[in-house]
Amino acid sequence: TQLLEQSPQFLSIQEGENLTVYCNSSSVFSSLQWYRQEPGEGPVLLVTVVTGGEVKKLKRLTFQFGDARKDSSLHITAAQPGDTGLYLCAGDQGAQKLVFGQGTRLTINP
Amino acid sequence: GAVVSQHPSRVICKSGTSVKIECRSLDFQATTMFWYRQFPKQSLMLMATSNEGSKATYEQGVEKDKFLINHASLTLSTLTVTSAHPEDSSFYICSAREDTQYFGPGTRLTVL
Repeated sequence: TQLLEQSPQFLSIQEGENLTVYCNSSSVFSSLQWYRQEPGEGPVLLVTVVTGGEVKKLKRLTFQFGDARKDSSLHITAAQPGDTGLYLCAGDQGAQKLVFGQGTRLTINP
Repeated sequence: GAVVSQHPSRVICKSGTSVKIECRSLDFQATTMFWYRQFPKQSLMLMATSNEGSKATYEQGVEKDKFLINHASLTLSTLTVTSAHPEDSSFYICSAREDTQYFGPGTRLTVL
């Protein structure tokens, strides 16, 4: 089974600051997804990256897929309290199966 | 995006009883659905792949006789936790794939 190492696992910052979450693996993935999960709910898809080097933006969130398709990052600019949540990266292993990183629990303090 | 529902959202049962959780794709057909388990403050762990009309494929370490999966139609998969014990208490999440995987809202199982 391919593994995804996500870091940091916990992050607490002040409103207005910037942050980056990393997702790394020694394996190549055909695609990688980023999800956000609220307590007691299922994960909600934020973005899917497919092409090595791809960059996608979703308002203040910027997602990047590494050139070798082994790693990805999520950068949030000017974080807001509404960004608080659990962020999960997940790599497509093939056969439609996803492997999840450990998750990053993000807290934005007003 | 596509919608996946789960029922019930919460269930409390006594040790030794069986509990069935339903997963439905509401606006698309899914030949494959997935069942995950999530412990508090941890990530999702894939339990099994549910295949419509055939046997489920279980991940290593998951007891197929304890976690029974039935995928009888293109919009419904069920997970039955048999002879539940307190250690089976967890958050169970299903997903179904259309262009990408869409997740259900989860089912909180508490076994007393």
